[in-house]
Amino acid sequence: GAVVSQHPSRVICKSGTSVKIECRSLDFQATTMFWYRQFPKQSLMLMATSNEGSKATYEQGVEKDKFLINHASLTLSTLTVTSAHPEDSSFYICSASPGKNTEAFFGQGTRLTVV
Amino acid sequence: GESVGLHLPTLSVQEGDNSIINCAYSNSASDYFIWYKQESGKGPQFIIDIRSNMDKRQGQRVTVLLNKTVKHLSLQIAATQPGDSAVYFCAENKRDYGQNFVFGPGTRLSVLP
Repeated sequence: GAVVSQHPSRVICKSGTSVKIECRSLDFQATTMFWYRQFPKQSLMLMATSNEGSKATYEQGVEKDKFLINHASLTLSTLTVTSAHPEDSSFYICSASPGKNTEAFFGQGTRLTVV
Repeated sequence: GESVGLHLPTLSVQEGDNSIINCAYSNSASDYFIWYKQESGKGPQFIIDIRSNMDKRQGQRVTVLLNKTVKHLSLQIAATQPGDSAVYFCAENKRDYGQNFVFGPGTRLSVLP
């Protein structure tokens, strides 16, 4: 099946710094990618929809200035957590689909710990 | 609105028994459904999908049943193995809604030896 690669898999950063997470579709082009956040023992919650060549669409309650999304090419979307705080510590997962109404492929996830 | 994240219910089964994991989906207009398996510290993995024009689909050791009348989805795993221990999520998608999936709360499956 299609492959979505996410990097890094783990990152520890100091409070107040910024962290960038990359999501790549390795064998297909994705005009749209999705960023999810998952707290321990909970389900995936959609944060934002990343659109190639245009602004991302954020879900209600997600601060767009804090979670910067860039989708500069058809195979790469990045999520930057700016001025990170301990409450931003979470598991961040991206996904992409080769087309509409087809299965979504997920990255391996990034475990962010802010200390 | 989106499905909410809730604390995970747990299903414990004996190795070799069949498992049934249930999911109530939220949007009656959803027409595509997927079951995902998530192991600790990893992203979700595709297990099986079903479209709304079907009520049953079988894969290898897994069967998905769809009841649109009551908006219910189930995943049946035959002869459950220790490697099946994971969290299972159902996800729903609506035609022309893009490729975003709304996830159910998830169920943790524990396989007992």
